[in-house]
Amino acid sequence: SQQGEEDPQALSIQEGENATMNCSYKTSINNLQWYRQNSGRGLVHLILIRSNEREKHSGRLRVTLDTSKKSSSLLITASRAADTASYFCATVGTSDSWGKLQFGAGTQVVVTP
Amino acid sequence: NAGVTQTPKFRVLKTGQSMTLLCAQDMNHEYMYWYRQDPGMGLRLIHYSVGEGTTAKGEVPDGYNVSRLKKQNFLLGLESAAPSQTSVYFCASSDTPNTEAFFGQGTRLTVV
Repeated sequence: SQQGEEDPQALSIQEGENATMNCSYKTSINNLQWYRQNSGRGLVHLILIRSNEREKHSGRLRVTLDTSKKSSSLLITASRAADTASYFCATVGTSDSWGKLQFGAGTQVVVTP
Repeated sequence: NAGVTQTPKFRVLKTGQSMTLLCAQDMNHEYMYWYRQDPGMGLRLIHYSVGEGTTAKGEVPDGYNVSRLKKQNFLLGLESAAPSQTSVYFCASSDTPNTEAFFGQGTRLTVV
């Protein structure tokens, strides 16, 4: 089974609104990463948050991490039509799972003008 | 920089045929990964490598083999293709697991 699970599976919003998606994972992690995938393309890295960090910002992106709940959230503020894509969380484990980069099933986001 | 390049981009195989997917990176990265992406399943890790000459199994390794003879290349082999291996395959590389991974553009494989 996959390490991460995103929620919701799909999200439809209007331009200017905020989009929030969540990721839950199962085992201890070293870091958690968020990626974006436009239709038919490869994945592009958005942000990385380490296990000892609680919040991180990058432009319009805000990521939080709660290791006690094994969960993370990605917030996209003031969304644009160009933000339409699938968003994936990925985790890097510790000890035996060090080096393994495992992804969740993703959240499909549609931003309408 | 080319980044991560996957060859080929598209392929149709008959059941039982074999093929090798090539992933090449020019960033001198230690870590390389092979994933498959199926609708609604996200990316599932097939095999990965933590350095030249090393390979390790991921979540769904059965039916695939890999080799990392050169640091810049990570090969994914299908010895006897099955329709269940119809998927989009992605390769990725990273300097360390604490840094971002760079992805290739994918290989769309259909097994008939």
